[in-house]
Formats: sequence, C-alpha cells, structure tokens
Amino acid sequence: GQQLNQSPQSMFIQEGEDVSMNCTSSSIFNTWLWYKQDPGEGPVLLIALYKAGELTSNGRLTAQFGITRKDSFLNISASIPSDVGIYFCAAYNTGNQFYFGTGTSLTVIP
Amino acid sequence: NAGVTQTPKFQVLKTGQSMTLQCAQDMNHNSMYWYRQDPGMGLRLIYYSASEGTTDKGEVPNGYNVSRLNKREFSLRLESAAPSQTSVYFCASSISPGVTEAFFGQGTRLTVV
Repeated sequence: GQQLNQSPQSMFIQEGEDVSMNCTSSSIFNTWLWYKQDPGEGPVLLIALYKAGELTSNGRLTAQFGITRKDSFLNISASIPSDVGIYFCAAYNTGNQFYFGTGTSLTVIP
Repeated sequence: NAGVTQTPKFQVLKTGQSMTLQCAQDMNHNSMYWYRQDPGMGLRLIYYSASEGTTDKGEVPNGYNVSRLNKREFSLRLESAAPSQTSVYFCASSISPGVTEAFFGQGTRLTVV
C-alpha cells in the first residue's frame, strides 16, 4: 500500500513555541489533509489542501501543499496547552481511498 | 448534531468469536469507510463503500467483511476474531469518494483475548 511518512513522531514543546511537522510520500496526491485527534476521540479535520503550492491558514495553523504534490507541511504558531494531541496528515489519490500518515504526537508544556 | 455514530464504544472478545461493528451517519454522505488504528501505524483502511450498493477492499481487508446496509449505515464484521485484530476501529464518511474531507466517528476499542 501507499505510505505517508510523517515526522517527527513526537514533539515536546514549551507553551508559546511554534511547531512544524511534515508528511512525505513517494506518490503524487491531488488532495492533502491535516487532522487532529484528541484522546479517546476520532480525528477531526483541521485544514484541506487541493492545489499544488497552496498555502492555507486556519487560525494559528498554516498548511502547505508541496509543489511536487508529494509532500505537505503543517505549522502551528504560538502553541497553547489545548494543541496537545496527535496530528495526522492524510492524502487522497484516484481510487477513492484516503491514506494516513503515522501521526505526530504533540505535548505542550505550560 | 450526531455526525458519525459508532457502536459499541468498547468490546472484549474471545479468540474465535464473531461480532459486528455498527456505523451510521446522518449527513447524507455517499461514501463510508472503516479504518483501524494501531500504535505507530496511523490509520489503515480496511474497507470502503464509495456509494450505496458498492464495497471495496482497502489496505488491510483480511479477516473482515462489510455490508453497506443503506446510504446511512455501513457495518464491519469479524467472523472469527483473532488477537491481531485488537485495535481501535474508526468509521468515517465523506460527501463523495475522496474528493472532500472525511468525518470520523469516536471509535470502537476492541480487545481480542
């Protein structure tokens, strides 16, 4: 199956710091998505990207669809304690399937 | 707003037992999906249904069967549970196949002993 390589696997940061994570693949995708999962809950969509090179913001979150269509980046500015959770990238290709990355676990230290 | 509802939330099975995980969505979505989530593995697609009346295998379909009962409901069946099927199972739906975001249920935590 197709794989999305997500890094870093985990992050421990101080409140107020900025966060960056990325997702890469050997395959080309037409859609990249970023989800956040809180403990005991299902993933919730944060940002969706539909065009290569697209840069989209949602509050303190900014994500980019890589120009090669093989990668995507998520940045969180001025982190706060409620940013804690697992962040997943996801990508879509023809064939009606979403593929998910392995997740980045974020811990914010107050 | 209910969104995607999964039942049960927790289940313990003995090896060889069977069970069905239920999923229903009230968003009039055409496409529905079943994923399993294991530590360090992310979410892996088991089966999906692009539209009512169709089902297709995902990355890890072995040991599972699905039924798209109607547009709202998509069930996942384990005929003979194995310890390797211990996982958290998520159902998701989207308006159409893959071109828009998927919405997830809260998950079913299944333990097979």
